[in-house]
Amino acid sequence: QQQVKQSPQSLIVQKGGISIINCAYENTAFDYFPWYQQFPGKGPALLIAIRPDVSEKKEGRFTISFNKSAKQFSLHIMDSQPGDSATYFCAAISIRDNTDKLIFGTGTRLQVFP
Amino acid sequence: EPEVTQTPSHQVTQMGQEVILRCVPISNHLYFYWYRQILGQKVEFLVSFYNNEISEKSEIFDDQFSVERPDGSNFTLKIRSTKLEDSAMYFCASSVGRVSADTQYFGPGTRLTVL
Repeated sequence: QQQVKQSPQSLIVQKGGISIINCAYENTAFDYFPWYQQFPGKGPALLIAIRPDVSEKKEGRFTISFNKSAKQFSLHIMDSQPGDSATYFCAAISIRDNTDKLIFGTGTRLQVFP
Repeated sequence: EPEVTQTPSHQVTQMGQEVILRCVPISNHLYFYWYRQILGQKVEFLVSFYNNEISEKSEIFDDQFSVERPDGSNFTLKIRSTKLEDSAMYFCASSVGRVSADTQYFGPGTRLTVL
């Protein structure tokens, strides 16, 4: 119930294409969903986050789509660039449970080729 | 831009030995965290620390683990008697507010190898 399932495990996209990474959860108490980007040798960095009261959030080329009824959310990277090549983690947390415990997905390694 | 730093970048130790992983959080941050990432697996929450005490810990954070903020700038994770399965990348993170309200900043990690 505490898991966040992430797919695909790896993704290869051509420059200019759209990268899509999907996550699913079971725990309906989750109410905050951040995405992290991790470059080799670095720690994860917050990319974008969404709360379930909206179905979509866009920041530049990055968009989170959220489907509350299906308990799924996804990250879309438009016009993917080689500099986007990194590992992406979705995560979830229950704010209402007053917890600090961020639950991470298993990660997606994105490679964008020129 | 301020950043979280961690030392050492790589620590090799023998099973049963004690290790201390060190972190310097961003100076005005109040919440501190340790996570671990076993190679090829997901990032897992270990512990959060606020106001000089543990706020929350996961089931992974057993009696072998302890955290401390010894001097107002460092934040340490001690593993008392390391096991092979403790081999992982350990990330420290800090934030001004709690995870849900504020951005967490992660350090580059310490790779711990237990032989």
